[in-house]
Amino acid sequence: KNQVEQSPQSLIILEGKNCTLQCNYTVSPFSNLRWYKQDTGRGPVSLTIMTFSENTKSNGRYTATLDADTKQSSLHITASQLSDSASYICVVSSFDQAGTALIFGKGTTLSVSS
Amino acid sequence: DAEITQSPRHKITETGRQVTLACHQTWNHNNMFWYRQDLGHGLRLIHYSYGVHDTNKGEVSDGYSVSRSNTEDLPLTLESAASSQTSVYFCASSDGIFPYEQYFGPGTRLTVT
Repeated sequence: KNQVEQSPQSLIILEGKNCTLQCNYTVSPFSNLRWYKQDTGRGPVSLTIMTFSENTKSNGRYTATLDADTKQSSLHITASQLSDSASYICVVSSFDQAGTALIFGKGTTLSVSS
Repeated sequence: DAEITQSPRHKITETGRQVTLACHQTWNHNNMFWYRQDLGHGLRLIHYSYGVHDTNKGEVSDGYSVSRSNTEDLPLTLESAASSQTSVYFCASSDGIFPYEQYFGPGTRLTVT
């Protein structure tokens, strides 16, 4: 069964600290992996998309990694800010469908405190 | 700027009533999607469309319908609302270019009493 598992479920960190969120997936065939940020009461917003051949991708203070062999991804947030408080969702797309086979993780809720 | 909007943002309705949620995008994207988001679940696909007059069922389509009469709009209809359909609904659109990035609307919170 195609699944995306995220850990931890929730995380609290102090402003300025770094953190890493994890994503494991069992989706096949694999097309690409996405990380979305979802602020409370808003729709998800894309942070990164990585295809099979990419193992690192950065977007400002966000760096995503992908290990397609072990089917694991991580999202590293550097020098966290209060505005980073949100849910971070890992999404895996299956290869042979144009965006319809998106398998969503349940998300990691990050709280950044001052 | 191009955008995707949803209306209403909040809706309370009674069991058995028909409800329509609107989704409008100005990107001229061919692909549009409806998802629901519930606690303890990832987003789940309800219906999707690849273009005008094209509609397809997703993972959780029972009790929902969509129609696509133009490129910009994909309204979602709950034929007879049930309490199990209380949820937050998101519309998304994407172009037809790999990796098919999806852009999400702000969501509609629907409560069925």
